Amino acid sequence: AQSVTQPDIHITVSEGASLELRCNYSYGATPYLFWYVQSPGQGLQLLLKYFSGDTLVQGIKGFEAEFKRSQSSFNLRKPSVHWSDAAEYFCAVGTSGGYNKLIFGAGTRLAVHP
Amino acid sequence: NAGVTQTPKFQVLKTGQSMTLQCAQDMNHNSMYWYRQDPGMGLRLIYYSASEGTTDKGEVPNGYNVSRLNKREFSLRLESAAPSQTSVYFCASSESWTGGGELFFGEGSRLTVL
Repeated sequence: AQSVTQPDIHITVSEGASLELRCNYSYGATPYLFWYVQSPGQGLQLLLKYFSGDTLVQGIKGFEAEFKRSQSSFNLRKPSVHWSDAAEYFCAVGTSGGYNKLIFGAGTRLAVHP
Repeated sequence: NAGVTQTPKFQVLKTGQSMTLQCAQDMNHNSMYWYRQDPGMGLRLIYYSASEGTTDKGEVPNGYNVSRLNKREFSLRLESAAPSQTSVYFCASSESWTGGGELFFGEGSRLTVL
């Protein structure tokens, strides 16, 4: 069965610093991979997704993620963090069998210092 | 542009009481989902409806029932609430059941069972 691990529960960065959030997945075939963001009191919003092709995908709000099959990873990056990026970030995996029963990681809460 | 609307946003129940969470989407999506979110556990799928007229169990269906009332509406019912069901519940929808398409989430319903 597929699973998702986000090793970092909390991360704190300074505004303007770079950011990398880690995500490792377990799945036998090529998965569909997603990053969602949840602002306080809100639902989840899709940042980006990977299905196939170019392993570096661009998303909204200046985020990007890189799929590395050899490491079973899909890490999220941003070169310069803004205070408004403070939120909780979830990595999710869906099977390439083609259904949307996403499995979510436990989430990483990002705090941004001014 | 409402998207996915959930009601109520907050509810407090006593153990053994019943209640129904309502969800409606205005995007003409075929598939709908109910997730629960608990600290440190991410989102877990309770039930889903691949298309109007069908429902199926997710990871954690025990203690819940669902109804896909029509294409727009998907309700979640707790017949006899238990403290373990204290959680934040999210409804989501997607255009199709296949293809790994984006899930659109409501803002959540916070339920406390005393």
